Amino acid sequence: GAGVSQSPRYKVTKRGQDVTLRCDPISSHATLYWYQQALGQGPEFLTYFNYEAQPDKSGLPSDRFSAERPEGSISTLTIQRTEQRDSAMYRCASSTVAGGFGELFFGEGSRLTVL
Amino acid sequence: SQQGEEDPQALSIQEGENATMNCSYKTSINNLQWYRQNSGRGLVHLILIRSNEREKHSGRLRVTLDTSKKSSSLLITASRAADTASYFCATDAANSGGGADGLTFGKGTHLIIQP
Repeated sequence: GAGVSQSPRYKVTKRGQDVTLRCDPISSHATLYWYQQALGQGPEFLTYFNYEAQPDKSGLPSDRFSAERPEGSISTLTIQRTEQRDSAMYRCASSTVAGGFGELFFGEGSRLTVL
Repeated sequence: SQQGEEDPQALSIQEGENATMNCSYKTSINNLQWYRQNSGRGLVHLILIRSNEREKHSGRLRVTLDTSKKSSSLLITASRAADTASYFCATDAANSGGGADGLTFGKGTHLIIQP
């Protein structure tokens, strides 16, 4: 696609429910990142993919968080048994650079509110 | 955790004036990037400066990097109302490989341009 697309844009859920967020990166981009951004803060790294491989998930805050990118394109971030502290903006970014580092292209984000 | 710290946290200037934001970081880096985020929107890449570069220009933007002081500055000349946004520095740690740990973002400087 022309840019990084995330869905849903807004998600309100009750504590204890599972949520899945989706990211469709720029089609030629090998690398995909998930970030969590609290209000008034900078994005914090969660995990990244190089095609379908997930070399680093050290930023995932707990085992309730998991991410997939089974065919090396679209990715999902799933949060199980959501808690109020999971409320944040979840941002996906993609990059042309694999095995290195360069400019990130961000989507508009998915704002999660856990009641 | 966030490696970079921007200074000041907030800055308000008159249209036409220059705006300077600073960023300090803790560990050795391969490169440093600056991003802009308009209210509630995704982050947009502005400029990347590599660790062996000292200064870089792009339009009205000028970035400097001092690796001995682990600091960078972003200068926006002849500011416009449309420059109102949050500005983040982001670093790629020198001991990371293949995107491990992702880009580490600071908390940002909120810039307001008064018309």
